[in-house]
Amino acid sequence: AQSVAQPEDQVNVAEGNPLTVKCTYSVSGNPYLFWYVQYPNRGLQFLLKYITGDNLVKGSYGFEAEFNKSQTSFHLKKPSALVSDSALYFCAVRVDGGSQGNLIFGKGTKLSVKP
Amino acid sequence: DSGVTQTPKHLITATGQRVTLRCSPRSGDLSVYWYQQSLDQGLQFLIQYYNGEERAKGNILERFSAQQFPDLHSELNLSSLELGDSALYFCASSMYNSPLHFGNGTRLTVT
Repeated sequence: AQSVAQPEDQVNVAEGNPLTVKCTYSVSGNPYLFWYVQYPNRGLQFLLKYITGDNLVKGSYGFEAEFNKSQTSFHLKKPSALVSDSALYFCAVRVDGGSQGNLIFGKGTKLSVKP
Repeated sequence: DSGVTQTPKHLITATGQRVTLRCSPRSGDLSVYWYQQSLDQGLQFLIQYYNGEERAKGNILERFSAQQFPDLHSELNLSSLELGDSALYFCASSMYNSPLHFGNGTRLTVT
């Protein structure tokens, strides 16, 4: 069965510093991996996805993610954090045989960026 | 703005009651998904419709049902409500095999 784990409930970063939000996954076949962000009182917004190809995926708002098959990880990164990046971040994996909307989400990581 | 509209924003009701949540998908999107977000269970996929037909089911209780109408809007019906059904219910839409666009959710409180 597929699953994703986000080992950190919260990540604190100073503005201007690089940030990393961690995600590991478990799938039986080829992984379809996603990152979504949720701002307070809003729905989730798509950031980026990995299906195949280059291990470094670039997404919205300057975010990128690195797919590592040997470590079964898909960490979200940004070179220079902004206060406005503070939000809840979700890693997700597609359900086997499902569409890109049939997802299993991690529990989320709260990112706090301080000025 | 994602283009996905959910109504109502908030709903307060009593145990044992029945409610209907409504979702209008983004223009052109044929797929509608329902997700439940709660503190203890996290974000869980409930059900997917594609162009009026049920396409996939997740952790949806038998007390819950959904449908998608010819104009592509969708409704999620929750009946015999229990305290544990209190949660944020999100609707999302997409073209069939593309990432999701989420609405802002309906916050359901069961008292």
